[in-house]
Amino acid sequence: DGGITQSPKYLFRKEGQNVTLSCEQNLNHDAMYWYRQDPGQGLRLIYYSQIVNDFQKGDIAEGYSVSREKKESFPLTVTSAQKNPTAFYLCASRGRGSQETQYFGPGTRLLVL
Amino acid sequence: ELKVEQNPLFLSMQEGKNYTIYCNYSTTSDRLYWYRQDPGKSLESLFVLLSNGAVKQEGRLMASLDTKARLSTLHITAAVHDLSATYFCAGSSNFGNEKLTFGTGTRLTIIP
Repeated sequence: DGGITQSPKYLFRKEGQNVTLSCEQNLNHDAMYWYRQDPGQGLRLIYYSQIVNDFQKGDIAEGYSVSREKKESFPLTVTSAQKNPTAFYLCASRGRGSQETQYFGPGTRLLVL
Repeated sequence: ELKVEQNPLFLSMQEGKNYTIYCNYSTTSDRLYWYRQDPGKSLESLFVLLSNGAVKQEGRLMASLDTKARLSTLHITAAVHDLSATYFCAGSSNFGNEKLTFGTGTRLTIIP
């Protein structure tokens, strides 16, 4: 089955701790994205990557970091500098072509202890 | 900077009725997307609209795009309970980079 997987489904972070959210896709998509969703809100772009070994900041990159060492994988690290990390994190990927849409993974819910 | 506004934010409607969700955007957007989100779940793609006058339909949902008015609409025909969800529109302002800017969503509740 082709698709996007995210793990874990739920993640708890202690004060001062860095945590990493996993995102893997087997759709052979070049582009991958990380979004944050707060309750009752739309999605905001954190980081995106158009190609392996390259990524760009989105609208709310402060306190987050990413890597893109493999085409299939785009992990997101929520650092201790992110003071309000509680949110629903969604990873997406997109293929080439004008008719393509962004396909979303199931999401990771991050809570602060 | 692209801004996307949806209205209404909340919508309760009876089964069998028709209604429209509106999506206005502030600057040129090369494409417009509609997504559906069920409570606690991820986003499901509904439509991609690429050009002025584009209209797409799937079941009881029909989306259209007017680039001159910077307006997209999602029309619901003869609503059924299964359509209860939050609907998001999103615009792409960065040609080729596909950076999406989302509206805040319309929470639709279909009442029997």
